[in-house]
Amino acid sequence: GQNIDQPTEMTATEGAIVQINCTYQTSGFNGLFWYQQHAGEAPTFLSYNVLDGLEEKGRFSSFLSRSKGYSYLLLKELQMKDSASYLCAVREFRDDKIIFGKGTRLHILP
Amino acid sequence: ETGVTQTPRHLVMGMTNKKSLKCEQHLGHNAMYWYKQSAKKPLELMFVYNFKEQTENNSVPSRFSPECPNSSHLFLHLHTLQPEDSALYLCASSSPEGSDEKLFFGSGTQLSVL
Repeated sequence: GQNIDQPTEMTATEGAIVQINCTYQTSGFNGLFWYQQHAGEAPTFLSYNVLDGLEEKGRFSSFLSRSKGYSYLLLKELQMKDSASYLCAVREFRDDKIIFGKGTRLHILP
Repeated sequence: ETGVTQTPRHLVMGMTNKKSLKCEQHLGHNAMYWYKQSAKKPLELMFVYNFKEQTENNSVPSRFSPECPNSSHLFLHLHTLQPEDSALYLCASSSPEGSDEKLFFGSGTQLSVL
């Protein structure tokens, strides 16, 4: 079976750095995604990792360790608009299904 | 604008009603999906269509009936729903070109079943 765990909620301060962790267990791994979802809006793609290591994209970076079943999303220089839910999702090798975690709701304080 | 349009944005229906949700994608993708998003639960995959053929039915009750007339349009027909079916229904599309095959989501239909 598959299982994806991430914290339910986190709070950080504007201008600071926050790291959102995700651990997963799947029958076969074929890539990990991070999506951002503002309340009442569509999830939007942030990053994709299929090999171990860090992928940097502006203020956002995503890290993957396949041997540990672990990823994190790092957000730097936080802005108020970063207040949203962050969804970790894993694509399974067997059938290419993308399975989502419950999401982490991030609150940014001024 | 994500390139995936869903209508209606909000829907309230009784348990005996029949309604349909519509999704249209303008991205030239050939795979389309229905996901259900309930409070405090992960996004749940319901149906997958590849080139208009249904390739996944994730044990969804028969009161949900999908239809994919072409690669750009996807419908979800609803009948005799239950209050626990109240949720945000998200449509997504993707293309197998490229290694990441990421999903592009619509804004969803917020469904309330009374």
